[in-house]
Amino acid sequence: DARVTQTPRHKVTEMGQEVTMRCQPILGHNTVFWYRQTMMQGLELLAYFRNRAPLDDSGMPKDRFSAEMPDATLATLKIQPSEPRDSAVYFCASGSLFLSGTEYSNQPQHFGDGTRLSIL
Amino acid sequence: KQEVTQIPAALSVPEGENLVLNCSFTDSAIYNLQWFRQDPGKGLTSLLLIQSSQREQTSGRLNASLDKSSGRSTLYIAASQPGDSATYLCAVITSGTYKYIFGTGTRLKVLA
Repeated sequence: DARVTQTPRHKVTEMGQEVTMRCQPILGHNTVFWYRQTMMQGLELLAYFRNRAPLDDSGMPKDRFSAEMPDATLATLKIQPSEPRDSAVYFCASGSLFLSGTEYSNQPQHFGDGTRLSIL
Repeated sequence: KQEVTQIPAALSVPEGENLVLNCSFTDSAIYNLQWFRQDPGKGLTSLLLIQSSQREQTSGRLNASLDKSSGRSTLYIAASQPGDSATYLCAVITSGTYKYIFGTGTRLKVLA
């Protein structure tokens, strides 16, 4: 079965360090999402891309977070500088999103297993 | 602003019981609603997706219904098994936004 692959699975680093998380979406999917999950806030959408173009990153702290999709097989989420409050599980998901005027359809999202990030 | 609520937050039932999980959303203008399952330490697995024009979807022992006008969806699990133990989340896409808003989930434990 096709899968969304995230690396690393775990990351522990000190406050102030740069963190880069990577995601390989499922081939053929045109939409990639980055989520953050914590016990307090639940699952929050940070940013998402359609056909590699950023559609919405309003959920992301812009001063320290950046999301890019350099090619169709790789999406990255960077935190610089990292802070203890960034500790969470970060998920990548991919799917297919079709828009035509006011018509909309999508296929179910597929999630990766996440990157568990701990900032000391 | 769309808000999604799931009740109960946690549920423990004996094996074999039929059960219902609830999801409610405040803005009924949605494109679709999706139910997910999350196992500990894992990502989310899609269970069922209901388009706004549909009333229900079925997959095996799972049946999800959607009442868009009242802002409610239910996930019905028949003949529950210990392997069904997981956290179940619902999510909606509000019209015009193209992004999922998730509920906080229901943590289900099925006792053998």
